[in-house]
Amino acid sequence: DSGVTQTPKHLITATGQRVTLRCSPRSGDLSVYWYQQSLDQGLQFLIQYYNGEERAKGNILERFSAQPFPDLHSELNLSSLELGDSALYFCASSAGLAGGEQYFGPGTRLTVL
Amino acid sequence: GENVEQHPSTLSVQEGDSAVIKCTYSDSASNYFPWYKQELGKRPQLIIDIRSNVGEKKDQRIAVTLNKTAKHFSLHITETQPEDSAVYFCAASRPAGGTSYGKLTFGQGTILTVHP
Repeated sequence: DSGVTQTPKHLITATGQRVTLRCSPRSGDLSVYWYQQSLDQGLQFLIQYYNGEERAKGNILERFSAQPFPDLHSELNLSSLELGDSALYFCASSAGLAGGEQYFGPGTRLTVL
Repeated sequence: GENVEQHPSTLSVQEGDSAVIKCTYSDSASNYFPWYKQELGKRPQLIIDIRSNVGEKKDQRIAVTLNKTAKHFSLHITETQPEDSAVYFCAASRPAGGTSYGKLTFGQGTILTVHP
C-alpha cells in the first residue's frame, strides 16, 4: 500500500457523460500528479499540483480538468467522454516539487461504452 | 520536451538468469531516473531510482546504472524469479523550474517473463 488513495476503483459510463475521479495523497506529500495509462499511449502525464497550486501541465485535453482542495486532495473531471478516454487513471504524490520519489495510487479504471 | 526510449519491449528469461532493460533519454537536464514495476491491473510500484550525481545504485537483486554522457540508464535484475514477471517502466524527470517540475516521462515499458 503506497498511502495514496483513489476512488472509485472502476467506472463504467457512456459516451458524452461526465465523471469525477478522486485522489488523496500520502500524508505529508505536497505534490499531486495525474497520469493516464492506455494501451496505445502508455503512461502519460496529465497535470501536477504542488501545495494546491497548478505547477505543470502535460497533454491534458480541454475536456479534462483537475481541481485541488485545501486538504491537498485532488479531483480529475472528465467530460464529454469518448470511447478513446477509456484508460487507467493514476494519481501519484511526492513530498517535494520535483526530483523525488512518486508513489502511485491504485488507479481508477474508466470504461466508456 | 523529454523523450524516453525503452528496450526491449519484451524479455523472456529462465529462472535464475539475469535480465537487463535499457533506456535512453533526450533531455540532458533530466536528473532523476526511477524504475517502476507494474503487475497486471495494479499500480506502478517504485523499485529503484538513481540521481544524476550517482553512476550506480544497487538494492539486493536489482541495480541501476546511469551514463550521463551517453544519456542512458539500465535496470539489472540478477537471479530472476517467477515473481519478477511484470511490466517494467523507466522514467526521467527534470529538477524544479521551468514548466516541467516533477513530471515523469515514461518509457514504453518492457514485459518481463521469467520461466520457472
